[in-house]
Amino acid sequence: QVQLMQSGAEVKKPGASVKVSCKASGFTFTDYSLHWVRQAPGQGLEWMGWINPSNGGTNYPQKFQGRVTMTRDTSISTAYMELGRLTSDDTAVYYCASGAAVAGITEYNWFDPWGQGTLVTVSS
Amino acid sequence: DIQMTQSPSSLSASVGDRVTITCRASQSISTYLNWYQQKPGKAPNLLIYAASSLRTGVPSRFSGSGSGTDFTLTISSLQPEDFATYYCQQSYSTPLTFGGGTKVEIK
Repeated sequence: QVQLMQSGAEVKKPGASVKVSCKASGFTFTDYSLHWVRQAPGQGLEWMGWINPSNGGTNYPQKFQGRVTMTRDTSISTAYMELGRLTSDDTAVYYCASGAAVAGITEYNWFDPWGQGTLVTVSS
Repeated sequence: DIQMTQSPSSLSASVGDRVTITCRASQSISTYLNWYQQKPGKAPNLLIYAASSLRTGVPSRFSGSGSGTDFTLTISSLQPEDFATYYCQQSYSTPLTFGGGTKVEIK
């Protein structure tokens, strides 16, 4: 079935970087945009950007520009999100989610399916 | 950036009740509005896309409506498994943004 499987929980120190992976199965990885969304404890959802797995193109909101890097390895249908210069405010569950078809209308960016989430804890 | 405002932030309801959640955009987003359900410790799940289209497999008691800036999610008869937090999300323009969530609790 269509699913996204993420890497396991991470504990990092302030100032460090974290890299989370997201492996796709059950669909053609390069056909759909791949998004990252995070959720701090007890808080709402925050979009971190997306990657076009077909050509590697990315779109990051201003808040994360310069600190986040999204990449992919098409040979293993896996996307990656690396976040640097971590602070305690980055403690959150990080989700990957499939969005619009890359050859389609970008306004059709609803997220389905989602990965199971990866807890990243930043603590000294 | 487009701000998404949900109301109420929480509500208490009984099984069988009709529940309505509203979502307002800070500017017109046509019908590029999506709804998700999230249960504790789980990833969100898509319920409604493009304002009123029901995702395959989602029960028909869920419905969405609206266009422009004002949208609603309605649960026609609340079931025990519907107690969760609901989020709206606009896909009209980047940065993609979510509402703050509505927690539906048991009365």
